[in-house]
Amino acid sequence: AQTVTQSQPEMSVQEAETVTLSCTYDTSESDYYLFWYKQPPSRQMILVIRQEAYKQQNATENRFSVNFQKAAKSFSLKISDSQLGDAAMYFCAYKDQGAQKLVFGQGTRLTINP
Amino acid sequence: NAGVTQTPKFQVLKTGQSMTLQCAQDMNHNSMYWYRQDPGMGLRLIYYSASEGTTDKGEVPNGYNVSRLNKREFSLRLESAAPSQTSVYFCAINRDNSGNTIYFGEGSWLTVV
Repeated sequence: AQTVTQSQPEMSVQEAETVTLSCTYDTSESDYYLFWYKQPPSRQMILVIRQEAYKQQNATENRFSVNFQKAAKSFSLKISDSQLGDAAMYFCAYKDQGAQKLVFGQGTRLTINP
Repeated sequence: NAGVTQTPKFQVLKTGQSMTLQCAQDMNHNSMYWYRQDPGMGLRLIYYSASEGTTDKGEVPNGYNVSRLNKREFSLRLESAAPSQTSVYFCAINRDNSGNTIYFGEGSWLTVV
C-alpha cells in the first residue's frame, strides 16, 4: 500500500522569507500524481499545487513550487516570499493514475512570524 | 468551495441517532467522494462514487452508507451515530478532464455525544 510521510510536524518562517516543507512517499507504481493541500483554521482543504509523475519539470504556481525527485520518492513544497496568509496546515497527498483514493500525509503546521 | 456544497456545516448528534450529510456539485463531474478528518490527521476516504448509480467502499466505510441517486448529489448517512464518528467530513469531486485532481467542499463538523 502506498504511504505518504511528512517528517516535519511544525515549521516556522519569518514573513517574506522562503520555507521548504518535506514529503516522501512509497509506491511501486510508475504513473501517479502528487499534491499539496493547504488547510487554514477554517478547515477548508485548498489545492495548492499538483505534479504528474511522468513530467520531469517541477510544477510552479506563483510563489509556490515543488522539487519532485522521482527516484528518491521525494516531493517538497517551497513557499517563497512567505505571507501571513500562508499560515496553515499543509498536507502532501498521493494518487495512483486511475485510482480513486488520495493518500494523505500527517500534515505540517506552518507558522509565519511577522 | 470549488463548486461543491455540503450541508449541514455543523451538527451535534446523540449516540444512536441517525443523520444524512448532503453534498451537491454544480458541474457535471462523474466522480464524487466522502472523506473524514480526525484531529491531527490527514483525510481518509469513506466511500466514493465513480459515476451516477455506482458506489464503492474506501478505507473506513464501517458505520456509513452512501447514495448517488443522480449526477449532482452524493449523500452520506450515519444510521446509528457513535462518538468515534465525531469528525470533520469532506465531500470532494474530480474536477479536471484527466480525473486526477480532487477538489474539496468546505467540510461538515459533526460531533456525537
